[in-house]
Amino acid sequence: GENVEQHPSTLSVQEGDSAVIKCTYSDSASNYFPWYKQELGKRPQLIIDIRSNVGEKKDQRIAVTLNKTAKHFSLHITETQPEDSAVYFCAAIASGNTPLVFGKGTRLSVIA
Amino acid sequence: GAVVSQHPSWVICKSGTSVKIECRSLDFQATTMFWYRQFPKQSLMLMATSNEGSKATYEQGVEKDKFLINHASLTLSTLTVTSAHPEDSSFYICSASNRRLYGYTFGSGTRLTVV
Repeated sequence: GENVEQHPSTLSVQEGDSAVIKCTYSDSASNYFPWYKQELGKRPQLIIDIRSNVGEKKDQRIAVTLNKTAKHFSLHITETQPEDSAVYFCAAIASGNTPLVFGKGTRLSVIA
Repeated sequence: GAVVSQHPSWVICKSGTSVKIECRSLDFQATTMFWYRQFPKQSLMLMATSNEGSKATYEQGVEKDKFLINHASLTLSTLTVTSAHPEDSSFYICSASNRRLYGYTFGSGTRLTVV
């Protein structure tokens, strides 16, 4: 089955700097890669996603890149703000009716 | 957008009792419901997958007789933690999908504390 590795597990950045979180996946059939932000005690919130037919997607300060050949995808947050502090999870799936496989998460701290 | 209502949001129960958690899809038909468990400072771990009208498929290491899942309708799935013990204390969260909608909708989660 699918295995998703995520790095780093913790990340501290100064406000205004960029943050990058990287994930790798094992199943070449995976074709959908969402990123979730989770605040303490709350449900994961989808912040951006990318499908395998696209190499990059951007939404304001957030961007995701996908390298299918290398089987890795990354989350980029620019101009970080304190409210970006949370745990971020990457995930991958192969089809619309299979469960999301999550990475172990990255705790991002943005220091004001 | 798609909404999944999960109840209760938190529950405290005594060791040995059972707790039922409900997830309802409010504006779409949840053909598949995934149940996850999340321990503090850890990722979401899939417990089981249930398709409407079928028996749930459990992940390795998850006791099917302890975690009873019912998905009798396209809008309701329940997880019952039977004979709960303190080690079952965790954050339980459902995620619904629909074959026609390519996406996953999470419930708000249930914080279970067994004392």
